[in-house]
Amino acid sequence: RKEVEQDPGPFNVPEGATVAFNCTYSNSASQSFFWYRQDCRKEPKLLMSVYSSGNEDGRFTAQLNRASQYISLLIRDSKLSDSATYLCVVNSPSGTYKYIFGTGTRLKVLA
Amino acid sequence: DAMVIQNPRYQVTQFGKPVTLSCSQTLNHNVMYWYQQKSSQAPKLLFHYYDKDFNNEADTPDNFQSRRPNTSFCFLDIRSPGLGDAAMYLCATSRDPGLSYNEQFFGPGTRLTVL
Repeated sequence: RKEVEQDPGPFNVPEGATVAFNCTYSNSASQSFFWYRQDCRKEPKLLMSVYSSGNEDGRFTAQLNRASQYISLLIRDSKLSDSATYLCVVNSPSGTYKYIFGTGTRLKVLA
Repeated sequence: DAMVIQNPRYQVTQFGKPVTLSCSQTLNHNVMYWYQQKSSQAPKLLFHYYDKDFNNEADTPDNFQSRRPNTSFCFLDIRSPGLGDAAMYLCATSRDPGLSYNEQFFGPGTRLTVL
């Protein structure tokens, strides 16, 4: 089993739709969780950090379920500019300073 | 603005010709990372430094070396690039992960082409 797993998609959704991505992680001792957005041929950019049960930033909501070991990202009112790959990243337990990446979920918002 | 800078943004080299990629940061972060990313794949960690302590991933080829002469700079040396080393190379930094808000910050990447 991979340490961090995501559905690779692609998710093709119309403008204005709500879309949700899930990410599961295998190490129950993981402490920090992040969603990054990566555009084609660009670097990953931090979208949201998830430190407790979840948080919201405008149209984006991230949730953490420690019991089931998954993180979700909800995007409401999708825009064309939301088209990108969304990477789930988990900080490995303290002492190793490593971040484990999922393979990413590709989103395409259609006009 | 505090940031992570990578140079060059695009590098073309010949098969077997050594190449050095550079990364600098103004964030004063303890940890610096080098990742290799190929098309449609997740970034793959090559190695990282916590201050001057070097940590190599078990599956990083010997062909890849790194130097961190001071807090701000980190270099990736590819001693004998092969065609399979063509990729985007990403540098990232983070604060001490023992602290809160330990996000990684990425540079814009160097795209390496091997002819």
